Amino acid sequence: DSGVTQTPKHLITATGQRVTLRCSPRSGDLSVYWYQQSLDQGLQFLIQYYNGEERAKGNILERFSAQQFPDLHSELNLSSLELGDSALYFCASSAYWGGTEAFFGQGTRLTVV
Amino acid sequence: GENVEQHPSTLSVQEGDSAVIKCTYSDSASNYFPWYKQELGKRPQLIIDIRSNVGEKKDQRIAVTLNKTAKHFSLHITETQPEDSAVYFCAAAGTASKLTFGTGTRLQVTL
Repeated sequence: DSGVTQTPKHLITATGQRVTLRCSPRSGDLSVYWYQQSLDQGLQFLIQYYNGEERAKGNILERFSAQQFPDLHSELNLSSLELGDSALYFCASSAYWGGTEAFFGQGTRLTVV
Repeated sequence: GENVEQHPSTLSVQEGDSAVIKCTYSDSASNYFPWYKQELGKRPQLIIDIRSNVGEKKDQRIAVTLNKTAKHFSLHITETQPEDSAVYFCAAAGTASKLTFGTGTRLQVTL
């Protein structure tokens, strides 16, 4: 157990819908990363937050948004879902915004039908 | 920003042989280099990491080497076992820069 909690584990939804993925970082970690992993692909970096503020942005679609709350949990919102958004979404947390270990949650498997 | 290249993308070795995966990075300010192992359908897990103040680190059958001048680092797995079969990701980060991952290497250990 990495100490990073993601909910839900599985999500099946229809095209055009909106979903919210939730991540609770390890106790004491200030930074949260979000990654998308499509079948048999690498880790596509979406966005990073540090202590409530956006620190880095990757190839995140405009239909996707995220935030980190005062209690440091983070949510990734995916809207106007398309079939191609089906993937495993991981969050990872680390103590700082760089230069230190990042620990991954177990992921949320999103299936868009 | 940082760019991390990883080779090879797939690697097949026989049980008992060694496996080597190589990564290069672009940002000379990067000073932290972790390696992650991801089994099918599971989360990436940190298996070993190295900081820029050392050139090599070993943990049982796994070792990582770092060449700061050439900006490359490698993962070495000796005496490979079937349970080593997985996807391995390298990554690089600086004190003030986020973790950037390589594209992954699928390692297959055959009997």
